[in-house]
Amino acid sequence: DGGITQSPKYLFRKEGQNVTLSCEQNLNHDAMYWYRQDPGQGLRLIYYSQIVNDFQKGDIAEGYSVSREKKESFPLTVTSAQKNPTAFYLCASSLQTTDTQYFGPGTRLTVL
Amino acid sequence: GENVEQHPSTLSVQEGDSAVIKCTYSDSASNYFPWYKQELGKGPQLIIDIRSNVGEKKDQRIAVTLNKTAKHFSLHITETQPEDSAVYFCAAWGRGGYQKVTFGTGTKLQVIP
Repeated sequence: DGGITQSPKYLFRKEGQNVTLSCEQNLNHDAMYWYRQDPGQGLRLIYYSQIVNDFQKGDIAEGYSVSREKKESFPLTVTSAQKNPTAFYLCASSLQTTDTQYFGPGTRLTVL
Repeated sequence: GENVEQHPSTLSVQEGDSAVIKCTYSDSASNYFPWYKQELGKGPQLIIDIRSNVGEKKDQRIAVTLNKTAKHFSLHITETQPEDSAVYFCAAWGRGGYQKVTFGTGTKLQVIP
């Protein structure tokens, strides 16, 4: 998992609640990413950030929000607008968006 | 956009045998192809990668081959061991303002002792 940490490992959410997933890296990488993983599917990009104070929507951004106030941190908020949030969420980082991505250990979110 | 197909979705081999996983991609401009190994409940780990100017790359028991003409690349694992059991993902870097990565759907490899 290198220098990428995600917390918590498991997260439970009630209907209508917002929850925030943490991602921190100490690799001095400029770019960071959030992916969603569902059984039988490839990783799908939610949001990415090329540099501090900048982020862009990925393929499935609806119902999610992010911030990038610090280089080492890229938290993901799963809002109540996300209708099917139960999934495994993976954070990744790379030197730049053209470089190899390295993944964190993941957070499993379950909606009760 | 880029489309990556990965086969097979599941693969069972006897310990000591070889395993081959194949991916095809659609964007001829793709130029970088990493392979990741994901163990249950963990994040994917990069195991090997190849760039478009190289046809083959080896790292001990693992190798990747690339056929740019046919637009496919393959992961080869020789002398498989039980600890090789995991889900393997291929990926391709295609066009896009941010060098978008497209992942395959994964192959669950089971090595039977």
